[in-house]
Amino acid sequence: EAGVAQSPRYKIIEKRQSVAFWCNPISGHATLYWYQQILGQGPKLLIQFQNNGVVDDSQLPKDRFSAERLKGVDSTLKIQPAKLEDSAVYLCASSWRRGAVSYEQYFGPGTRLTVT
Amino acid sequence: AQKVTQAQTEISVVEKEDVTLDCVYETRDTTYYLFWYKQPPSGELVFLIRRNSFDEQNEISGRYSWNFQKSTSSFNFTITASQVVDSAVYFCALSEAPRVASGTYKYIFGTGTRLKVLA
Repeated sequence: EAGVAQSPRYKIIEKRQSVAFWCNPISGHATLYWYQQILGQGPKLLIQFQNNGVVDDSQLPKDRFSAERLKGVDSTLKIQPAKLEDSAVYLCASSWRRGAVSYEQYFGPGTRLTVT
Repeated sequence: AQKVTQAQTEISVVEKEDVTLDCVYETRDTTYYLFWYKQPPSGELVFLIRRNSFDEQNEISGRYSWNFQKSTSSFNFTITASQVVDSAVYFCALSEAPRVASGTYKYIFGTGTRLKVLA
């Protein structure tokens, strides 16, 4: 079974530029998450999708970050314009959704973003 | 509000020693789930275990064991006879039931414990 795919793996941009990350979850996983992980910290949830609808984006800096999940499969996360403090690893994860059970998440390899 | 505390920032042990990673959580829900993930130097988080709030049985998987105690709100992880390959950052996570039927579980991760196993 293929895991969660992410691209690119690394990205270096200058501040005020824009960047986009792509994620393809495990087939059949209805729930998709984007996390930001700053060096030395735990993952911080940015946005959570259930199929193609947003169920939690309370920690997404909406003035510069946006995300979409068309057709309930692939997802893209965009930053525009980037700031120095956006330097981090952006992790995508997916999980099953079935009834009132919380299932484990499966993570992709992440995209390491450096903003200079 | 939900919270996960991993007070140990970094632990160093010598190979073959046993080591316990602590996790303390806070939640007001009666239904919740606890998880442990491993993040090796390659960076990809790997799922280790899931436990729901109604199952306090300890679990053992090879050299790994988990001790869940609701009375102390702890979900500790022990590695027996540690190996160099166990070197990684370990995260404990908590998810609570959704507030509405259409909602999904929200995960909160701890800050992680970096384990270094020395040869």
